[in-house]
Amino acid sequence: QVQLVESGGGVVQPGGSLRVSCAASGFTFTNFGLHWVRQAPGKGPNWVAFVQHDGSNSRYADSVKGRFTISRDNSRNTLYLQMNRLRPEDTAKYFCAKDRSMMGNLYHIDVWGKGTTVTVSS
Amino acid sequence: EIVMTQSPATLSVSPGERATVSCRATQNIDDNLAWYQHKPGQAPRLLVYGASTRATGIPARFSGRGSGTEFTLTIISLQSGDYAVYYCLQYYTWPRTFGGGTKLDI
Repeated sequence: QVQLVESGGGVVQPGGSLRVSCAASGFTFTNFGLHWVRQAPGKGPNWVAFVQHDGSNSRYADSVKGRFTISRDNSRNTLYLQMNRLRPEDTAKYFCAKDRSMMGNLYHIDVWGKGTTVTVSS
Repeated sequence: EIVMTQSPATLSVSPGERATVSCRATQNIDDNLAWYQHKPGQAPRLLVYGASTRATGIPARFSGRGSGTEFTLTIISLQSGDYAVYYCLQYYTWPRTFGGGTKLDI
């Protein structure tokens, strides 16, 4: 079955960096776009970033633009989120999510992982 | 960006009864809306997409309606496994935006 497993979360100081990963299985990885979505404690989800199926194009929420980079390794079926210049407000559970399409336009998220927790604190 | 306002924030419903969750968009999104169920420690699960199409394996007790800016998710004959948090998501445009969530409890 389709599975997304996030890893790499942890505690990091403000201004620091962290990379979280998402290992995918159960579907043809190269055929689908992928998202990162985060959820702060007690809050609703917030979309963070999207990368299309071949990694050639990506989109970001304004709150992370210039600090976060989404990427994928199609040879390893793995999605990444490199997070730099982290702030306390980046503290959240980070979910990897699969889009229903290659390019992401007018298609929904159909599968999620369970998430990995990132805490930004001194 | 499109703001999705979900209501109510909390909904208390007895088993066997009906629950209705609403989601309102600040601008037209046609039918580009999905609903998800999220239980603690689990991956969110897709329930409905295209505002009214049930995802694979989702029972007919779950139904979505709406278009434009007003949407509802209705769950009839509530079962113990339905008690969770429900979110709407608009995918009409970037950035994708979610509702704040509705916690359904007994």
